[in-house]
Amino acid sequence: GQNIDQPTEMTATEGAIVQINCTYQTSGFNGLFWYQQHAGEAPTFLSYNVLDGLEEKGRFSSFLSRSKGYSYLLLKELQMKDSASYLCAVQSNTGKLIFGQGTTLQVKP
Amino acid sequence: DTEVTQTPKHLVMGMTNKKSLKCEQHMGHRAMYWYKQKAKKPPELMFVYSYEKLSINESVPSRFSPECPNSSLLNLHLHALQPEDSALYLCASSQDQRGRVGEQYFGPGTRLTVT
Repeated sequence: GQNIDQPTEMTATEGAIVQINCTYQTSGFNGLFWYQQHAGEAPTFLSYNVLDGLEEKGRFSSFLSRSKGYSYLLLKELQMKDSASYLCAVQSNTGKLIFGQGTTLQVKP
Repeated sequence: DTEVTQTPKHLVMGMTNKKSLKCEQHMGHRAMYWYKQKAKKPPELMFVYSYEKLSINESVPSRFSPECPNSSLLNLHLHALQPEDSALYLCASSQDQRGRVGEQYFGPGTRLTVT
């Protein structure tokens, strides 16, 4: 079966660091993606991991452990504009993206 | 140009109407996707076109009919929709359906309301 779990909601303070976890069990794995989606807007690509380890991109980093079926997205130096929904998505062998339910992050001053 | 465009932005239609959603990309991508997204839910895949051929149909009702006239365009024809079909319809494209395809570029979406 296909199952992707991430927390529903998180709250953090401006300037802080937040880690959003994602665990997955999928039939076939061809990479894990993180997307950011602001309310009423389209998802935008943040990161891609296909090998174990950490990928860093500015204030955002993403980590993958394939043996544990686990990933996290790390956001540093939080800004108010980072308040959004963060979607973890696993790509199956057919190329299909399977999305988690999304984590709504609220950044407070 | 890393943009996927969609028209219209908003659409209100009755249950007996026929309408079409349009999507365009000029990135040379060969895979294009239709997703449906309800409020506070993740996008749900509807259709995938790969090299202008329908590759995946996620058991979508026949009142939704996709069409890929060429490699840059993707349409979604709507007919006899139900109020529960009201949602944000997202188009996306990627270089290919396999490989590092998850880097899908999403369009801004069409907010559809069925009355």
